[in-house]
Amino acid sequence: KQEVTQIPAALSVPEGENLVLNCSFTDSAIYNLQWFRQDPGKGLTSLLLIQSSQREQTSGRLNASLDKSSGRSTLYIAASQPGDSATYLCAVFTDKLIFGTGTRLQVFP
Amino acid sequence: EPEVTQTPSHQVTQMGQEVILRCVPISNHLYFYWYRQILGQKVEFLVSFYNNEISEKSEIFDDQFSVERPDGSNFTLKIRSTKLEDSAMYFCASRRDRSNYGYTFGSGTRLTVV
Repeated sequence: KQEVTQIPAALSVPEGENLVLNCSFTDSAIYNLQWFRQDPGKGLTSLLLIQSSQREQTSGRLNASLDKSSGRSTLYIAASQPGDSATYLCAVFTDKLIFGTGTRLQVFP
Repeated sequence: EPEVTQTPSHQVTQMGQEVILRCVPISNHLYFYWYRQILGQKVEFLVSFYNNEISEKSEIFDDQFSVERPDGSNFTLKIRSTKLEDSAMYFCASRRDRSNYGYTFGSGTRLTVV
């Protein structure tokens, strides 16, 4: 059974720092991995999608990497801003999307 | 950019009542899903739907739950007799293709059972 874990569970940093959020999954037989952002009480906004054949994807200040064989993905956020404060979820797709536990990020001015 | 639309955004219902949560997936998408998130917990898979039938359902999706795509555009989740523990945020999602495209989620319906 696929299990997805995210570390750290919570992170509080000053504005301007570069951040790394970690995601690990137990079954490497995935089609793709997707990172989402969730603001409190709100929906899920897709940030990046990495196909199983890819190593990384970039969008603006965000960069996600995937090491399928070791069951790991990282989300790198450059030059963090207060507007980045949210919960970040990683999810892997096999026959359905399985979500991780999330990292709650707070960026203070 | 195309969106998945969910209505209502918030619904309050009495225990034992039936509720129907509505979703309009993206028009050229083929796969449809319902997920739920109890406050403070993980986003959990409920059911997937393809070609007008359920393709997979979780243990949570018992006989109290049903899904329907009544008219080729709407995708509904019905809870027949709500319980207090059904209180959660319910998300609808759709996908165009089996493996090459990501999921697009709606903004959710917050269901409160009192």
